[in-house]
Amino acid sequence: GQQLNQSPQSMFIQEGEDVSMNCTSSSIFNTWLWYKQDPGEGPVLLIALYKAGELTSNGRLTAQFGITRKDSFLNISASIPSDVGIYFCAGPNAGGTSYGKLTFGQGTILTVHP
Amino acid sequence: SAVISQKPSRDICQRGTSLTIQCQVDSQVTMMFWYRQQPGQSLTLIATANQGSEATYESGFVIDKFPISRPNLTFSTLTVSNMSPEDSSIYLCSASGQDANSPLHFGNGTRLTVT
Repeated sequence: GQQLNQSPQSMFIQEGEDVSMNCTSSSIFNTWLWYKQDPGEGPVLLIALYKAGELTSNGRLTAQFGITRKDSFLNISASIPSDVGIYFCAGPNAGGTSYGKLTFGQGTILTVHP
Repeated sequence: SAVISQKPSRDICQRGTSLTIQCQVDSQVTMMFWYRQQPGQSLTLIATANQGSEATYESGFVIDKFPISRPNLTFSTLTVSNMSPEDSSIYLCSASGQDANSPLHFGNGTRLTVT
């Protein structure tokens, strides 16, 4: 089946630093989604990308849909303590557009030191 | 976006018993799904909850172990049957809104521990 390889697996940064994480696949995805999961809660959608090359921002977050449609990155600028959590990339299974049946990356655990 | 509520939020159950998890959405949604998140792992799709018909299961998941109901467009249940410690996970309900092509939103999950 499809796999999403997310890196890094974990990051330890100082408050105020910028963060970058990425997701790659051997398969083409028609959509890339980035979620954040706080402890004890479900994943929350941060950014959705629908077109190759698309660059989308949500506050301090910026994500891009790679031109090859096989990768995406998420940047967080000027990190703050509440950015702590697990960040997941995800995409619809089998190159489809049904956003319910998603394949998730392994997640990037972000720790921000004050 | 839809607000998704799950009950219970957590439970500790004995081996061999069953637990039914409820998922309520605050608006009618086209699609509802159940995911599992094993400890320290990512999310894996269990099944699609189809309104008025049998759920569609992903490879590795079967109806006898994870029976699912979806009686209407706002409610679904997942039962974890004949539990073993390997079933200890977070079970997450999700919904994709009125448009099947709208991104997925999740409930807060049910944290299940089987002893």
